[in-house]
Amino acid sequence: SQTIHQWPATLVQPVGSPLSLECTVEGTSNPNLYWYRQAAGRGLQLLFYSVGIGQISSEVPQNLSASRPQDRQFILSSKKLLLSDSGFYLCAWRRAGNFYEQYFGPGTRLTVT
Amino acid sequence: KQEVTQIPAALSVPEGENLVLNCSFTDSAIYNLQWFRQDPGKGLTSLLLIQSSQREQTSGRLNASLDKSSGRSTLYIAASQPGDSATYLCAVSWAGNMLTFGGGTRLMVKP
Repeated sequence: SQTIHQWPATLVQPVGSPLSLECTVEGTSNPNLYWYRQAAGRGLQLLFYSVGIGQISSEVPQNLSASRPQDRQFILSSKKLLLSDSGFYLCAWRRAGNFYEQYFGPGTRLTVT
Repeated sequence: KQEVTQIPAALSVPEGENLVLNCSFTDSAIYNLQWFRQDPGKGLTSLLLIQSSQREQTSGRLNASLDKSSGRSTLYIAASQPGDSATYLCAVSWAGNMLTFGGGTRLMVKP
């Protein structure tokens, strides 16, 4: 069976510090991978998605970047965090193709102080 | 613009009641529609996936229907229980690779 992991589970970082969140998927190959942010009182916002190693699409201009160094690894980064980067970050995966379910990881709660 | 709307934003019902959650979308040319559940502070759990060619899907006490022509989906929960309390999210796939989410309905089932 497939599982998706995210770490860390929670993170408190000062403004201006760097960020690295990691997501890994087990039990599948060549998945589509996604990063979402859920800010307090707001809906899910798609940040990045990837259909393969090194292939990243950005949905919104922002202070964040994503990378996919390995087939089942997706990393969300920032060089300098802003207060507005606080939120709940969710990684998700789906089989390549148009007709499959999307599955989410447990999320990372980021608080920028 | 392709949008997904969920009304109401919050719903409170007594235990045992059958209930319906609504989801509407603006463009009927969808690939599929997915219902999720989110507990506070947790990730999303997939409940049901309905392909564009399907009219409904069932899992236990849950039944999701799809009417593309009217741009609507409903999630029916039978015999609600306090453990069903959560936020329910509807998401539509138009562009194959991506989902567009509604704002969610926060459900409270009171004992």
